[in-house]
Amino acid sequence: GGIITQTPKFLIGQEGQKLTLKCQQNFNHDTMYWYRQDSGKGLRLIYYSITENDLQKGDLSEGYDASREKKSSFSLTVTSAQKNEMAVFLCASSSGLGNRIRSRQNTLYFGAGTRLSVL
Amino acid sequence: GDSVTQTEGLVTLTEGLPVMLNCTYQTIYSNPFLFWYVQHLNESPRLLLKSFTDNKRTEHQGFHATLHKSSSSFHLQKSSAQLSDSALYYCALVYRANTGKLTFGDGTVLTVKP
Repeated sequence: GGIITQTPKFLIGQEGQKLTLKCQQNFNHDTMYWYRQDSGKGLRLIYYSITENDLQKGDLSEGYDASREKKSSFSLTVTSAQKNEMAVFLCASSSGLGNRIRSRQNTLYFGAGTRLSVL
Repeated sequence: GDSVTQTEGLVTLTEGLPVMLNCTYQTIYSNPFLFWYVQHLNESPRLLLKSFTDNKRTEHQGFHATLHKSSSSFHLQKSSAQLSDSALYYCALVYRANTGKLTFGDGTVLTVKP
């Protein structure tokens, strides 16, 4: 087994502030993801990375930067926090979505989330 | 681009009744992978079911779903709801196995009452 650790668990920021969220996984997975979860809007992909030093934009990348420093870590930066913003940011990883649907590939494992509030 | 539609935002059932949560999708690609993820209160989403094969039923933990490419659907069903099934359910799609990009629906909150 493995675990995904997100830090911090709670993040309170000020409008306009640059905020960084961190994610570590010990599954030795190739692919890592950042999703934003808002009530009633599902899980929206911000960035993902299919290998170390790779970066792919998701549907919600504007206003965010990301960095895959090494295979086990993937960080997300909110470039300018928006006033009254509240959301949960979920990090996830997978072993790479190969063609073997019956294997553990194709499965995303999620961290516990970082809850952001902007004052 | 790809999209996933879950028509019900909230489903409330009495324990023991059947569950059906709808999921339809749009993609231009002919071989999508479909998934159901479940998220219980104060927990992270986890995989419940997945399928790649047209018209083949897949089952796990009492839930089942069948991918129907003809109708672009992957509805989640269970014959008898339990209180512990109360959770947020997401349908998700990846159009090609090695792209890594999953698209999620908006989610359906299932509440099961005694």
